[in-house]
Amino acid sequence: DVKVTQSSRYLVKRTGEKVFLECVQDMDHENMFWYRQDPGLGLRLIYFSYDVKMKEKGDIPEGYSVSREKKERFSLILESASTNQTSMYLCASSLDTEAFFGQGTRLTVV
Amino acid sequence: GENVEQHPSTLSVQEGDSAVIKCTYSDSASNYFPWYKQELGKRPQLIIDIRSNVGEKKDQRIAVTLNKTAKHFSLHITETQPEDSAVYFCAASISILTGGFKTIFGAGTRLFVKA
Repeated sequence: DVKVTQSSRYLVKRTGEKVFLECVQDMDHENMFWYRQDPGLGLRLIYFSYDVKMKEKGDIPEGYSVSREKKERFSLILESASTNQTSMYLCASSLDTEAFFGQGTRLTVV
Repeated sequence: GENVEQHPSTLSVQEGDSAVIKCTYSDSASNYFPWYKQELGKRPQLIIDIRSNVGEKKDQRIAVTLNKTAKHFSLHITETQPEDSAVYFCAASISILTGGFKTIFGAGTRLFVKA
């Protein structure tokens, strides 16, 4: 079974803090994605990566950056957390079609 | 950019009835259309998918149809059961020139199946 693991299930951070969300997959997938999930808005793509050190902006990249130094790890970085970034963050990985999701990180920025 | 619209946002049906969820996409280059089910407190999981060269696909009680000309695709669940209650997401994937692909999701449909 594919395993996609996010480092934290719940996080509480203060406004202005730098926040790192980590995601690791164990199936040697090239493609990895970060989404945020908000009620009524579904899953919105923040960034994705199709290879080590390669990244592409999704639909809502503002306020975020990513890092993919190793194939199995894809990190989402909030440079200066703001309250409107309070959300559920989902990481996913994929070989070619089906996406396998992590368990999600619920981030609260206070 | 690619946009996926999904309707309805909420759907309530009686056990045994059928449920239909509809999606439209904007980018005609989209070539793969998966559907995910997310149960309460759990991660989304793929339930069925269809590629752009196929018009219909069925797997037991669920089926998906695709109309490329109209850029519509739909999920059909027959003989619904209480365990079908969940949030369902449609999605459209498009290959990108630099490599890889991106998947854009609809806003989701919350399905309630009443026993």
